[in-house]
This record gives sequence, structure tokens and C-alpha cells, in this order.
Amino acid sequence: QSALTQPASVSGSPGQSITISCTGTTSDVGASNYVSWYQQHPGKAPKLMIYDVSNRPSGVSNRFSGSKSGNTASLTISGLQAEDEADYYCTSYPSTSTVVFGGGTRLTVL
Amino acid sequence: QVQLVQSGSELKKPGASVKVSCKASGYTFTSYGMNWVRQAPGQGLEWMGWMNTDTGNPTYAQDLTGRFVFSLDTSVRTAYLQISSLKGEDTAVYYCARDGSSGSHLDYWGQGTLVTVSS
Repeated sequence: QSALTQPASVSGSPGQSITISCTGTTSDVGASNYVSWYQQHPGKAPKLMIYDVSNRPSGVSNRFSGSKSGNTASLTISGLQAEDEADYYCTSYPSTSTVVFGGGTRLTVL
Repeated sequence: QVQLVQSGSELKKPGASVKVSCKASGYTFTSYGMNWVRQAPGQGLEWMGWMNTDTGNPTYAQDLTGRFVFSLDTSVRTAYLQISSLKGEDTAVYYCARDGSSGSHLDYWGQGTLVTVSS
């Protein structure tokens, strides 16, 4: 199972909005709504930010939102803040009991 | 509150074995699956597989070799990852992560265990 495709890096200034894409195939991203996003700060464990395409866990800022169109899912962060600078990973579940990660995107807040 | 606490860092020689533990608290252990994810230095996250904590049945990622074994001890609410015949390429941080309620995401993560393989 190939990794999902994410841009290696994105950047934005404080207060701006950015979008990170996650492209798969009709067998994974396009096949279900089981797309989730994780934030990872350096040296820390990943943290769930979005699940089932667009649901936010309790405690996650509403500045984070998710969507999907066809084989591409997206994570949008609005009102960018310095603390948002981190690596972001998407995942999909192409079949029961299989998980595939995206390659990760480094977000830089300028 | 849900917590996953992993064992400490390990330094091993090539050919040795290591066993990483992940102790769960704050929820019914056998009601949620447990996943293992690794991250090589400077690299992305890689899903290794998961353990059905109710049945004890493991599922391994397609390209994971037989050197990796998942196990459980439900009496102490702990999941284990054992790696045998260690190689330099096994150097990584290993995370345990709980399945979310719908089984479609990983909602709680351990702090990670660094395994370093070096002679």
C-alpha cells in the first residue's frame, strides 16, 4: 500500500489560512470517509486533530477543519498561530484493519 | 483520563531483541484496539499494525517482517511490541496508539519509545 501524497512543506503568516492536501486513490481516500489528520511537534507524539474527514475531537481548536473531494482530502488551518508550526500527517483506511499514512507536511509560520 | 505510558529508551546491539511496553489506563482496555506506529529518525510515520485487545488477534502491515510480534497482557492492561534480530534500520521511535471509537482513527498516543540499534 503506497503512502498518501502530501506536499513536503507549506508556510503562512500569522492570521492567514493555509490548506494541506492529501492525495490518495479510489482504493483509499476516495473509498471511505475514514480520513484523519495528526499534528506532531518536534520530539512529541502525534495528536489527533481531525477524524472521519471533518470531525474535530474535543479540545481541538475550531480553526482546524477538514474536507474531502474525490481522492483528495484537505486540512485547513485558519487564523494561523505560531503554535501551529508542526508536522501534519493524514491517514486513510483503505480496507478493514489497514492504515496508510501520508508522507507528512511541515508547516512553517513565517 | 486516558493515558498510554510506554517503556523507556533502549540501546541494543545488532542481532539482539527488544520488547517495548505500552500500559493503558483510564478506559476499558479490551474495548479498543491498539496500534503500533514507528518513526525512523527524520522520517514520517509508518503504521506497523494493530492488536485486537478483545480477541488477542494481531494484524501486521503487509510489508512488516516476521521479526515483529505484538502481544498483550490484559491482566495488567499492557500491550507489547517485540522486535527480534535487530538491525540498524530498526532504529526508530515506536509509538502505541489507541483506536478511536469508530475504529477509523488513532485517538490517544503513547509518548514514544526510542530504540537505537548500534554496535
